[in-house]
Amino acid sequence: QVTLRESGPALVKPTQTLTLTCTFSGFSLSTSGMCVSWVRQPPGKALEWLALIDWDDDKYYSTSLKTRLTISKDTSKNQVVLTMTNMDPVDTATYYCARTPFTSGGAFDIWGQGTMVTVSS
Amino acid sequence: QSVLTQPPSVSGAPGQRVTISCTGSSSNIGAGYDVHWYQQLPGTAPKLLIYGNSNRPSGVPDRFSGSKSGTSASLAITGLQAEDEADYYCQSYDSSLSGSNVVFGGGTKLTVL
Repeated sequence: QVTLRESGPALVKPTQTLTLTCTFSGFSLSTSGMCVSWVRQPPGKALEWLALIDWDDDKYYSTSLKTRLTISKDTSKNQVVLTMTNMDPVDTATYYCARTPFTSGGAFDIWGQGTMVTVSS
Repeated sequence: QSVLTQPPSVSGAPGQRVTISCTGSSSNIGAGYDVHWYQQLPGTAPKLLIYGNSNRPSGVPDRFSGSKSGTSASLAITGLQAEDEADYYCQSYDSSLSGSNVVFGGGTKLTVL
């Protein structure tokens, strides 16, 4: 069974750096064609893709946020970490990680439950 | 403004058929990139409904179907049921001079009357 779970702080202050961890099971990020992505959703708004890391450690970022984002993986721990710098209240959202295998053509086939992050002083 | 345009809301009575459109452009759907669809029930994470324009993951009822033509795609739901009431999102890939991104539609709220 494939599962993903996001963890991180529920509250961060403006200008701080957010660090989120996605811990997964049921698949390996060292398997060719496997990727993990981060997607966020502000309250009442649409989904927004943030970043993707693949089995070969290639990284891809949203062009509008790439200066603030860093994605990394620890294959031995089955974890993917996303950092976002200079947090602002507009970054308040539920942050999801999702598995993205090449076999799905770029679709996010399994999602974590999400973690709500509020940015406020 | 989302790169992919969806109607904010659609509705239908139980048993009816509804369609949700996803309109893009020559830099995304029209460029040949696949379209995927997600269902998001209230308070839950999105769930993959259709991938690669028209493929259903295991466990998704055949009441759900997807199609793509030109710069648009559509999700059709037949035999509408109360539990289909949810938000639906399309997703594709966009590549232009300003960069490349995974893109989502703005979402469509389906109300079962």
